[in-house]
Amino acid sequence: KQEVTQIPAALSVPEGENLVLNCSFTDSAIYNLQWFRQDPGKGLTSLLLIQSSQREQTSGRLNASLDKSSGRSTLYIAASQPGDSATYLCAVRQAAGNKLTFGGGTRVLVKP
Amino acid sequence: EPEVTQTPSHQVTQMGQEVILRCVPISNHLYFYWYRQILGQKVEFLVSFYNNEISEKSEIFDDQFSVERPDGSNFTLKIRSTKLEDSAMYFCASRTQSGVSTDTQYFGPGTRLTVL
Repeated sequence: KQEVTQIPAALSVPEGENLVLNCSFTDSAIYNLQWFRQDPGKGLTSLLLIQSSQREQTSGRLNASLDKSSGRSTLYIAASQPGDSATYLCAVRQAAGNKLTFGGGTRVLVKP
Repeated sequence: EPEVTQTPSHQVTQMGQEVILRCVPISNHLYFYWYRQILGQKVEFLVSFYNNEISEKSEIFDDQFSVERPDGSNFTLKIRSTKLEDSAMYFCASRTQSGVSTDTQYFGPGTRLTVL
């Protein structure tokens, strides 16, 4: 059974610092991995999807890397801003099936 | 930009009552999902739906739950007899067909269900 873990559970950084968010998964037979942003009491906004055959994916200040064999993904957010404060979730889709299995999220606070 | 919509945003019900949560997926999408998030816990998969039938479901999705696509646009989740532990945020998601360049699942804003 796939288990997805995100450490740390919470992170506080000063504005302008780069953010590094970690995601690990136990079963490397994944199809893809998605990173989401969740604001308090709100839905999930998809940030990046990285296919199992890819090593990284970029969108603006966001960069996600994937090391499937070691069961890890990292989301980098460059030059953080207070508006980046949110919870960031990673989720994996297995090679068999199409559901997403989520990590518990990392709650990020960017202080002005 | 197309988005998944859900109604209502908040539903309060008495234990034992039936509730129907409604979703309008993105119009050209073919795969539909329900997930839920109990306060302070992980987002959990409930069910996926494709070609007018359930394609996958979790252990949570027991006989008390059902899904339906009653017309070309709506996708509903019914809970027949709600329990206190059904209180959660319920998210609908959809994605387009596999083989296209993106397999992104797009999520709606959620329905907060409170069972009293």
